Parts: sequence; structure tokens; C-alpha cells
Amino acid sequence: QQQLQESGPGLVKPSETLSLTCSVSGGSISSGSTFWAWIRQPPGKGLEWIGSIYYGGNTYYNPSLKSRVTMSVDTSKNQFSLSLSSVTAADTAVYFCARLPYSGYALKSFDNWGQGTLVTVSS
Amino acid sequence: QSALTQPPSASGSPGQSVTLSCTGTSSDVGSYRYVSWYQQYPGKAPKLILYGVSERPSGVPDRFSGSKSGNTASLTVSGLQAEDEADYYCTSYVGNNNWVFGGGTKLTVL
Repeated sequence: QQQLQESGPGLVKPSETLSLTCSVSGGSISSGSTFWAWIRQPPGKGLEWIGSIYYGGNTYYNPSLKSRVTMSVDTSKNQFSLSLSSVTAADTAVYFCARLPYSGYALKSFDNWGQGTLVTVSS
Repeated sequence: QSALTQPPSASGSPGQSVTLSCTGTSSDVGSYRYVSWYQQYPGKAPKLILYGVSERPSGVPDRFSGSKSGNTASLTVSGLQAEDEADYYCTSYVGNNNWVFGGGTKLTVL
């Protein structure tokens, strides 16, 4: 069973860039037909898909965040990352990374999640 | 893409059945069978309980079932148990490798 673990600063200042990394263990991030996703949840609110990345580098972003989001993958470290620029208090949320298989079992669902990390935007 | 619509709350007594709805549009729920449901306890990560509208991952009790009609997907929890009290979220594929979530339903077991 693969495990995902988010890491990064828990506090970011307004207008700065939020940067998080998801480390994948128990399997290769380069598995065929698997996307990797970032999803966030503001305190007391619902889930929001931020974007997804394939190990080859193809990225897909939520249109509402697209201008501020960059995702990347480092296959040598079995990690993928999220950068969100020009953050405001509205970006305060728990950020989750998740696996998104595009073939086989649990096709096209977020079938494995990290525990989440709270990022607060405040000066 | 707009969020899918879920009722904010639902409730039922132990042993009863409750159905949670997830309404989208012809561009998301109505067009694809890639609708999945997640159970989330406070302070925890969401857990996949249904995918492909009605498929259960291994280990998920068969008390959880799913269906879809038109632009609305549904999750039915039969034989409600106290441990089913949680938040439930749906999500749908919307094409071009994009996804949208519902706002979530808080299920209370009375």
C-alpha cells in the first residue's frame, strides 16, 4: 500500500508563494497511468481540486487557480510538488496530496490520500 | 466548473437507510461514470468509499451503495451505524483531466 506524506511550511505571508511537497513511499511515482493530485480544504469548508500531474510532467489545473498554480514532479526523489503564488488569507487550508489512477482498480478516483498539512496565510 | 450540489446535512436513526444526493450538470455527472464518494471524519483525510458511481473498494462495507440518474448521483447508506456519522463528499470528472467536488454533506446518526 503506497503512502503519501505532505511537507512544507505551516505559515506563509500574504503575497508570498506557498510551496508543498508530497513524498510517495511504497511504490514508484512513475507507475504508468497514475496521476498525482493536490486538493485543499479551508477550515470548516469543503474540498477543492487544485490540480493533477503525471510523472511525465503533464499538468492540469483548476481554472479558478490556474494563474497562480505550478505543479512539478521529481521522479528521482519519488515526490511531486505544489507552488501557489500571491497567496491571501483565502488560501488558508489543509492541503492534501492524493493518488489518481487512470487505469485498473479505483479508476479515476482519488484512492489514496496523505494525512494533510495545514497552511495558514498570515503576516 | 461549478461545485457539485450536495445537501449540507442529512440524518437517520441506527438501522435505517439514508440517501445522499450529488447534483451536477450534463457536463460533469451527466456525462461520465467517473463519480466517486469520500467519507471524512473530523481532522482526518477523506477516504474513498465508492468509485465509478457504484464500485466499492475492498474493505468498504456493502452497506454503502451508489447510483446515478441523469445529472444526479446518489450514495445510500443502509443499516446506519454510529460509525457512519461523518462528512461525505462526491466528486466528478468534468473532462480534460479536470475534477470538481461537491460541497459535502454532514451525516448525523440520531
